[in-house]
Amino acid sequence: EAGVAQSPRYKIIEKRQSVAFWCNPISGHATLYWYQQILGQGPKLLIQFQNNGVVDDSQLPKDRFSAERLKGVDSTLKIQPAKLEDSAVYLCASSLAGGGRAADQPQHFGDGTRLSIL
Amino acid sequence: EDQVTQSPEALRLQEGESSSLNCSYTVSGLRGLFWYRQDPGKGPEFLFTLYSAGEEKEKERLKATLTKKESFLHITAPKPEDSATYLCAVLGYSSASKIIFGSGTRLSIRP
Repeated sequence: EAGVAQSPRYKIIEKRQSVAFWCNPISGHATLYWYQQILGQGPKLLIQFQNNGVVDDSQLPKDRFSAERLKGVDSTLKIQPAKLEDSAVYLCASSLAGGGRAADQPQHFGDGTRLSIL
Repeated sequence: EDQVTQSPEALRLQEGESSSLNCSYTVSGLRGLFWYRQDPGKGPEFLFTLYSAGEEKEKERLKATLTKKESFLHITAPKPEDSATYLCAVLGYSSASKIIFGSGTRLSIRP
């Protein structure tokens, strides 16, 4: 079984520039998550999709971050414009179940995109 | 507000020296407590889910236990390949709940 694929692995941009990350979840997984992991901290949930609908985006800074999951498969996360404090690893995860059981399921993570803001 | 605190932040052990990692949590109705392992440059890897106080789960040299306020990850006779950051996460039942991760314990096993 192929794992969660993310690209790019690394990205360096200057503040105020834009950046986009891509995620392809495990085939058949209904639920997709984006996390931000700052160095030395645990992952922080940004947005959760079930199929192509948003379940939770309460911690997404909507003035600069946006995400979409077209056709309920792969997803993109965009930052525009980037700030210095956005330097972090952006992790994508997926889980098999949808509906009310999604949160109970083990999440399978990709290896993330490391973003550095100069 | 749901909270997760892990201790210690870092732990160095000699190979074969058993120990425990702690995860203290505050949540309004525990739906699940999760343990993950994270290697440098990698995403977290799922280890266990615990649902109710008294529950225990084991995998190789790892055993996770759960009480109403905390969870322990016991590591027995660790090997150098067990070196990693171990993350604890909780999810509550309230409609506003979302999965919350602790900051992790960095475990280093010396040969």
